[in-house]
Amino acid sequence: EIVLTQSPGSLSLSPGESATLSCRASQTVALNFIAWYQQKRGQAPRLLIYGASTRATGIPDRFSGSGSWTDFTLTISSVEPDDFAVYFCQEYGTSFSTTFGQGTRLEIK
Amino acid sequence: QVQLVESGGGVVQPGKSLRLSCATSGFRFSDYDMYWVRQAPGKGLEWVTVISYEGSKTNYADSVKGRFTVSRDNSKNMVYMELNNLRSEDTAVYYCAKARRPRYDRNPNDAWGQGTLVTVAA
Repeated sequence: EIVLTQSPGSLSLSPGESATLSCRASQTVALNFIAWYQQKRGQAPRLLIYGASTRATGIPDRFSGSGSWTDFTLTISSVEPDDFAVYFCQEYGTSFSTTFGQGTRLEIK
Repeated sequence: QVQLVESGGGVVQPGKSLRLSCATSGFRFSDYDMYWVRQAPGKGLEWVTVISYEGSKTNYADSVKGRFTVSRDNSKNMVYMELNNLRSEDTAVYYCAKARRPRYDRNPNDAWGQGTLVTVAA
């Protein structure tokens, strides 16, 4: 089973700053099948990025994903007030199984 | 538009059972694998189970294997999960989620329900 480790655990930024969130896998992720989700308090997760770098439908282009093999990054180019939330990465390269990272909380500074 | 609506949560004693349901609409249900993902209070996301689009294949997290059973009814666009021998550590919001790509076994989840809360307490 692949273990995903997200860092940092929390990140405090001001609106307009850039955010860089990391997701490291314990072994190579097949086909770079990494997804990123945003979850606001009391809401279900929302898919942002899949295939490591493809934005899901309706996701603004200030969100971008990159990485390969075991190291993946979600970047928010200029954080807006609506972006303060918890972000999870997910590995889905294992057939008929998936795992999530523990999450990174993005907070207003 | 795609909609997923979970129901069946509640408060249950340890060792008891519960059945969760997920009603879906807005997509060709019989083409998509379906997932259950849970989130304990204040914690992260934990994958629970997946069922293939035709219902012939299932897989479970080790933490629930042998206690939870997933099923689906493609004629009703419904997915179910039977939770047996519940433990306090099963307390969580349970989300039903849809695979992004049809008829494919490796998927992120592009639609989620609002979740249903299961509380296991004496």
